[in-house]
Amino acid sequence: NAGVTQTPKFQVLKTGQSMTLQCAQDMNHEYMSWYRQDPGMGLRLIHYSVGAGITDQGEVPNGYNVSRSTTEDFPLRLLSAAPSQTSVYFCASRNSLGGYNSPLHFGNGTRLTVT
Amino acid sequence: GQQLNQSPQSMFIQEGEDVSMNCTSSSIFNTWLWYKQDPGEGPVLLIALYKAGELTSNGRLTAQFGITRKDSFLNISASIPSDVGIYFCAGQSGYALNFGKGTSLLVTP
Repeated sequence: NAGVTQTPKFQVLKTGQSMTLQCAQDMNHEYMSWYRQDPGMGLRLIHYSVGAGITDQGEVPNGYNVSRSTTEDFPLRLLSAAPSQTSVYFCASRNSLGGYNSPLHFGNGTRLTVT
Repeated sequence: GQQLNQSPQSMFIQEGEDVSMNCTSSSIFNTWLWYKQDPGEGPVLLIALYKAGELTSNGRLTAQFGITRKDSFLNISASIPSDVGIYFCAGQSGYALNFGKGTSLLVTP
């Protein structure tokens, strides 16, 4: 019963490096999303997807790319990491079939430090 | 995103005390949710509220969806040390889920 799985758990990057944060869910959820959590800022939506092949921007999309080639996976790409992207990143999914009222299920986060 | 005002920012209480926290918004939401986050983990759903005026309990937790659909509160009765964590409210409208900035709860034995 894995739920939402995020890898890696920790990552340190140098400014300008690229990387992909992985997210996979085994609940057949149509909706998937990425949040970043910063001290005193709560959780802010980066990108989301309502199904395979469909993505859209959230509140803070700049510097991040996403794609959704399968229902299960929703990777988040940093093309050129910046210190401002130091944060904890959470992937979350939910079942859209229940309408907009289905609650989000979160992964355990990826802690990213950009030096 | 739509701004949610969550208060208090932090609480430091003794075991056995009751706790109350709330969220307000200038926007209307269709759903209010309350999550708890333990250190090093992702938020976990505590209570979901789907209807204005709804009052829902989950053990020692009680939450209400405000009549105006712009606010919600969460009460924890008879707090215990494992209640320690950060509590987030979230309002949902369409696909977007907007989070408050969290209430950090510390419980001393």
